[in-house]
Amino acid sequence: DAGITQSPRHKVTETGTPVTLRCHQTENHRYMYWYRQDPGHGLRLIHYSYGVKDTDKGEVSDGYSVSRSKTEDFLLTLESATSSQTSVYFCAIRTRSADTQYFGPGTRLTVL
Amino acid sequence: QKEVEQDPGPLSVPEGAIVSLNCTYSNSAFQYFMWYRQYSRKGPELLMYTYSSGNKEDGRFTAQVDKSSKYISLFIRDSQPSDSATYLCALTQGGSEKLVFGKGMKLTVNP
Repeated sequence: DAGITQSPRHKVTETGTPVTLRCHQTENHRYMYWYRQDPGHGLRLIHYSYGVKDTDKGEVSDGYSVSRSKTEDFLLTLESATSSQTSVYFCAIRTRSADTQYFGPGTRLTVL
Repeated sequence: QKEVEQDPGPLSVPEGAIVSLNCTYSNSAFQYFMWYRQYSRKGPELLMYTYSSGNKEDGRFTAQVDKSSKYISLFIRDSQPSDSATYLCALTQGGSEKLVFGKGMKLTVNP
């Protein structure tokens, strides 16, 4: 599992509330990613990080922000959750040795 | 034209069948090709990784890349019920931080 954990694993929240999802890795990888996965859309990149305090936007970044203050942690924040952000969120890391990514177990988020 | 197109599913086969999963792509700059397997309510797991045109075999799985046709395939021999999952292709350019994913095909292998 490449030493990736995500928390929480499940969350139900209400529209308009802030939500923060955490991704934690134990292997000191430089690159970390946040994706969302929805039926009919597949995996879509939200934001990614290429080092501490270094982040960039993906294809569906509106409504999301990220922070990375330590190598091991990458946080995804929904400032004001909307029902369209109901999804399964996956964190991933990129290995140094190859252009591959390994995924965490996912967080299932429901916004009512 | 989308960067990656993956055959739509779902696909249902009997146990023991040979399964072929396919993706086509439009950008000839893609150099690395991957297949991920995703079980229900789990994260995608890397199944196969290839760089060049040709075949790569790992047990019952064979990944095939045809760069001239911009076509990649995953073959599963002697399919098992445990192979029931969604399979996603993923491609990247050399040195790129990003992967481009197909939308995935759900495979069911019936005992």
